[in-house]
Amino acid sequence: DQQVKQNSPSLSVQEGRISILNCDYTNSMFDYFLWYKKYPAEGPTFLISISSIKDKNEDGRFTVFLNKSAKHLSLHIVPSQPGDSAVYFCASISGGGAQKLVFGQGTRLTINP
Amino acid sequence: DAGVIQSPRHEVTEMGQEVTLRCKPISGHNSLFWYRQTMMRGLELLIYFNNNVPIDDSGMPEDRFSAKMPNASFSTLKIQPSEPRDSAVYFCASTSGLAGSKTQYFGPGTRLLVL
Repeated sequence: DQQVKQNSPSLSVQEGRISILNCDYTNSMFDYFLWYKKYPAEGPTFLISISSIKDKNEDGRFTVFLNKSAKHLSLHIVPSQPGDSAVYFCASISGGGAQKLVFGQGTRLTINP
Repeated sequence: DAGVIQSPRHEVTEMGQEVTLRCKPISGHNSLFWYRQTMMRGLELLIYFNNNVPIDDSGMPEDRFSAKMPNASFSTLKIQPSEPRDSAVYFCASTSGLAGSKTQYFGPGTRLLVL
């Protein structure tokens, strides 16, 4: 069973516009969520995270929104830049001392000039 | 600051051979994780250590896989004997383990091809 789902394998956005990447989860025990960005031949790079006590976290051009009732989170990138082209993974982790990250399948974002 | 270091970056071997992947976590981090990425299964956790002690190895696919962490700055993932279905990218990650810190930092990965 896939506890974290990214239903869009790919997304193409015009440079300067907003990119919105979505993620759904099924496990109500998840209380911390992270987004990672991955370039080819590199490891995932941490981008932004959010705790379940919040519904929004912002860091520069990146904002993550969490809707706990819908078990849904999204990553907004605005404005999108060519360097944002990468695969984006959302990941979730349970509360307490849990350390197991559960990853979605990833969304390949392409920013077109 | 050096990030997580993995070696080798690429490994090509023949079925039946032993493969050893190495990882050096970020200095001061006390939790270390081994992940495998494949097209079919995505990124999945194999095993993780806290303070050099294996905590959860439920993701290790079978007895051919073993992992050790002899000290705080070094870990190995061994596959013996290797099989073509083990071909994947293997990532190591570490985290500080401090209260409230859940962000894991990944190494560049080892791309393994078993022929």
